[in-house]
Amino acid sequence: GAGVSQSPSNKVTEKGKDVELRCDPISGHTALYWYRQRLGQGLEFLIYFQGNSAPDKSGLPSDRFSAERTGESVSTLTIQRTQQEDSAVYLCASSLGEGLGYNEQFFGPGTRLTVL
Amino acid sequence: GQNIDQPTEMTATEGAIVQINCTYQTSGFNGLFWYQQHAGEAPTFLSYNVLDGLEEKGRFSSFLSRSKGYSYLLLKELQMKDSASYLCAVRDSNYQLIWGAGTKLIIKP
Repeated sequence: GAGVSQSPSNKVTEKGKDVELRCDPISGHTALYWYRQRLGQGLEFLIYFQGNSAPDKSGLPSDRFSAERTGESVSTLTIQRTQQEDSAVYLCASSLGEGLGYNEQFFGPGTRLTVL
Repeated sequence: GQNIDQPTEMTATEGAIVQINCTYQTSGFNGLFWYQQHAGEAPTFLSYNVLDGLEEKGRFSSFLSRSKGYSYLLLKELQMKDSASYLCAVRDSNYQLIWGAGTKLIIKP
């Protein structure tokens, strides 16, 4: 079956421009996560959705970052007025849901964002 | 604060055994995950531990001691394709995954 997909795969933008990143989770997965990964570093949690609501936005680094999810499916991560430090790979993951028990996150291929 | 510690890099020989350690201090504990990430690719799930002890899955095994805040991933009969980063992640009391920075494993012939 189809996995998590993300678009675009690569995005090069100029400093100060807005960008929108898209994630299509696995069908039926109610939980969706956004992470940022800088070169050679670990995953940095940004935000997670349970259904269409975001109970935890604590990882968003600034008010330039926002995310939404509609129809318990597609999610978009928007970065306004991009800065060079925003350059990273943005990974999306989905899982069946939150709670106890084995609950694997399935990752998309990521969007590589480069801010010039 | 919450913290996950792993060695930055390890080197091992093809055919050998390697153990990658992970120690954690988190607000609560609801399971520990190991993921594999090849360069330029997304992480993929390897194992999950929530109770103390060893979970074996083929050439890979993962161990957990909750009292010590400690886990390890054991890779046997190493193959060149095992060269990757191995990420340890702990699910805290809010069911949020806290990720380590990953251990880059280099396999030499």
